[in-house]
Amino acid sequence: NAGVTQTPKFQVLKTGQSMTLQCAQDMNHEYMSWYRQDPGMGLRLIHYSVGAGITDQGEVPNGYNVSRSTTEDFPLRLLSAAPSQTSVYFCASSTLETGASNEQFFGPGTRLTVL
Amino acid sequence: DAKTTQPNSMESNEEEPVHLPCNHSTISGTDYIHWYRQLPSQGPEYVIHGLTSNVNNRMASLAIAEDRKSSTLILHRATLRDAAVYYCILRDSPMIYGGSQGNLIFGKGTKLSVKP
Repeated sequence: NAGVTQTPKFQVLKTGQSMTLQCAQDMNHEYMSWYRQDPGMGLRLIHYSVGAGITDQGEVPNGYNVSRSTTEDFPLRLLSAAPSQTSVYFCASSTLETGASNEQFFGPGTRLTVL
Repeated sequence: DAKTTQPNSMESNEEEPVHLPCNHSTISGTDYIHWYRQLPSQGPEYVIHGLTSNVNNRMASLAIAEDRKSSTLILHRATLRDAAVYYCILRDSPMIYGGSQGNLIFGKGTKLSVKP
């Protein structure tokens, strides 16, 4: 199992550009989520999904779009990048089994800089 | 979401036990106590979780107070590789389809330094 993979690892954008951060998991997990982490801070939830075709907003969704067309993939789209979106982005996945630990598995992160 | 309180930082010597405290005085009856850690330049990783009873796994032990208003993550013999930020998180269960109960709400955690 590759676990949770994220691409790219690093990205530099200019203000106003758009891009998609890719996230994929091969564990057949229903739940997937996106977090951002700013320097010296904990992670903040952007969007999450409990299955294909179902997404919802987290704590800081503005400026980001998501979709979930398959169980495996959960891309995060920045429509018009802003310097405030400079951050490290983590994708995570877990099962939805009742009574399980529902341990979340995190990807290695994408470090995004917006100039 | 229920909140947790952790010290900003702690220091330990290598090969000594480490006790990382967490206060969660507003915990509800269905909240599980989860611990994650984040090594430098990596994503968080699951450490342990519990509801009422103390728990042990290969990474650590979790001691939960009888009133569940506090808990302690115990690393029995700290190594240099255990230097990380440790997050104590309350998480409801079971997860309800379409609901937010599965979401992890991260605070700032405790930065653990391990001295050789």
